[in-house]
Amino acid sequence: QSALTQPASVSGSPGQSITISCTGTSSDVGSYNLVSWYQQHPGKAPKFMIYEVNKRPSGVSNRFSGSKSGTTASLTISGLQAEDEADYYCCSYAGSTTWVFGGGTELTVL
Amino acid sequence: QLQLQESGPGLVKPSETLSLTCTVSAGSISSSSYFWAWIRQPPGKGLEWIGSIFHTGTTNYSPSLKSRVTISVDTSKNQFSLKLSSVTAADTAIYYCARQVPTPSWFDPWGQGTMVSISS
Repeated sequence: QSALTQPASVSGSPGQSITISCTGTSSDVGSYNLVSWYQQHPGKAPKFMIYEVNKRPSGVSNRFSGSKSGTTASLTISGLQAEDEADYYCCSYAGSTTWVFGGGTELTVL
Repeated sequence: QLQLQESGPGLVKPSETLSLTCTVSAGSISSSSYFWAWIRQPPGKGLEWIGSIFHTGTTNYSPSLKSRVTISVDTSKNQFSLKLSSVTAADTAIYYCARQVPTPSWFDPWGQGTMVSISS
């Protein structure tokens, strides 16, 4: 069971959109629509942002959206704001009641 | 609002056992809908799921840590605990506890995390 693969960093200007990819395998992302995403600001605990690939819990801005194609899930943030600058992690169910996280992506708002 | 708080030693010697406890407040650990999870984050690195437990004591562990991990629950104290044996410097990390919804699968809320360093 290996960590899901995410780009180390992405960046964008305020108002722009960015997409963070999360690549797994046929044993995790490719087999289950059970991908969640988390936002982590420095020194803080992760915050739950997306579940079941593309669903937002109450209280999360609709600027955050998720999708999946094959073994790659994606998180898109539209209308970038300075407060979106953080690390983002994907997580997938990996079968046999195990879960796997991605390595994390640092988002910089220019 | 449900809250989780980790507690335990911040420094553990190599080859010894790391022990942490997560106390759940404003909610019952005996809820039938949730698992209770441990997740860690080495300094400057990503998140790693360690394992989860149901209030009945049923556990699930990461395959990579399974041989060294024990998670237990004490419903009378509304707590669950982590033991990680034979620790090395590679186990130095912030350890988080979190409530887990197994299906459709998410972790929320999280505790604030506790830093554990492995050093002699």
